[in-house]
Amino acid sequence: AQSVAQPEDQVNVAEGNPLTVKCTYSVSGNPYLFWYVQYPNRGLQFLLKYITGDNLVKGSYGFEAEFNKSQTSFHLKKPSALVSDSALYFCAVRPYSGSARQLTFGSGTQLTVLP
Amino acid sequence: ETGVTQTPRHLVMGMTNKKSLKCEQHLGHNAMYWYKQSAKKPLELMFVYSLEERVENNSVPSRFSPECPNSSHLFLHLHTLQPEDSALYLCASSRQSSYNEQFFGPGTRLTVL
Repeated sequence: AQSVAQPEDQVNVAEGNPLTVKCTYSVSGNPYLFWYVQYPNRGLQFLLKYITGDNLVKGSYGFEAEFNKSQTSFHLKKPSALVSDSALYFCAVRPYSGSARQLTFGSGTQLTVLP
Repeated sequence: ETGVTQTPRHLVMGMTNKKSLKCEQHLGHNAMYWYKQSAKKPLELMFVYSLEERVENNSVPSRFSPECPNSSHLFLHLHTLQPEDSALYLCASSRQSSYNEQFFGPGTRLTVL
């Protein structure tokens, strides 16, 4: 069975500094990997995904993520954080093959960007 | 804004009530999902409908009953719920291919008294 670990419940970063939100995964075979963001009282919004190809994936709002197969990681990054980036971030994985249509989500990381 | 709407946004119900949550997607997708989001827990997939047929049912209690009358609408019928069922219920939709991202609605905040 697949799983996702987001080892940090909370990440604090100063505005203008780079941010990283960590994610590691476990899945049989090759993975599809996703990042979502959730603002208060809102549903999840898709940020970016890794399917195949270039290990560095660029997404919405200046976010990017790097797929590292050897470390089974897919960390979310942004060069310069904004206060408006403060939100709950979820990593998700699903297997490349198989009949499962669902994503397996991590438990989420609360990002707070301090002014 | 995401093309997936949910009503009501907030619902308070007693344990003996019957209510329904509604989800509608305007994106032309052919798969729809119900998730439960509780505090401090990962999202829990409840049901998946693909081409209007239920394809996943993750051991959800029978007091939750989904219905998908067409590819644009999804309902979650609730009856005799328990206080531990209080949570944010999220609907999502996607194209059926496995690599397509899901688009989420804003959720229904359910409180069971």
